[in-house]
Amino acid sequence: GEDVEQSLFLSVREGDSSVINCTYTDSSSTYLYWYKQEPGAGLQLLTYIFSNMDMKQDQRLTVLLNKKDKHLSLRIADTQTGDSAIYFCAENTGRRALTFGSGTRLQVQP
Amino acid sequence: NAGVTQTPKFQVLKTGQSMTLQCAQDMNHEYMSWYRQDPGMGLRLIHYSVGAGITDQGEVPNGYNVSRSTTEDFPLRLLSAAPSQTSVYFCASSVVGQSSGANVLTFGAGSRLTVL
Repeated sequence: GEDVEQSLFLSVREGDSSVINCTYTDSSSTYLYWYKQEPGAGLQLLTYIFSNMDMKQDQRLTVLLNKKDKHLSLRIADTQTGDSAIYFCAENTGRRALTFGSGTRLQVQP
Repeated sequence: NAGVTQTPKFQVLKTGQSMTLQCAQDMNHEYMSWYRQDPGMGLRLIHYSVGAGITDQGEVPNGYNVSRSTTEDFPLRLLSAAPSQTSVYFCASSVVGQSSGANVLTFGAGSRLTVL
């Protein structure tokens, strides 16, 4: 989606932290989402954050939201090889569908 | 629960042929949508529906038709296939959470379409 931007690729070593970044343009977005896509599969929801929150933590995942800069990030602590996948951020505005970014491919090296 | 079921998983068409990608959900979700996924472009919304009998266009609707005669089914029709429609197609359904307000999509496994 042209309104949501992500870098295309990130490579980290197993055990390190991964940070995936996303910028969006619609300031009226009420929720922002992170989805994960494993090879040959559909997307699965990882987590989401309400727009009036700055941070949300869920086990190894930390989501940071900077509404002023329209910047969203996903931090994965202690990254494992099983975390290798494509990660999409997404926003929803008025309609009942989401606008997705282009996806960031995370490669975890042993 | 099967969730969201898409058929077929793979299809090869010749330019000009028509076909329908099927999508069915058994979660009684109000909202359904179709996306296409192309390398480096993420998912782009084709059409969506907020309930039976109601559909609307997304970002890239040209060349595709949809209908929603039941809550469960949301087929995507390619009227006259073109090579530019070679892609992976995902159907999703959702309902806005009563407590959270979040619109959490459940995706099907995808349908890979090649148009020669």
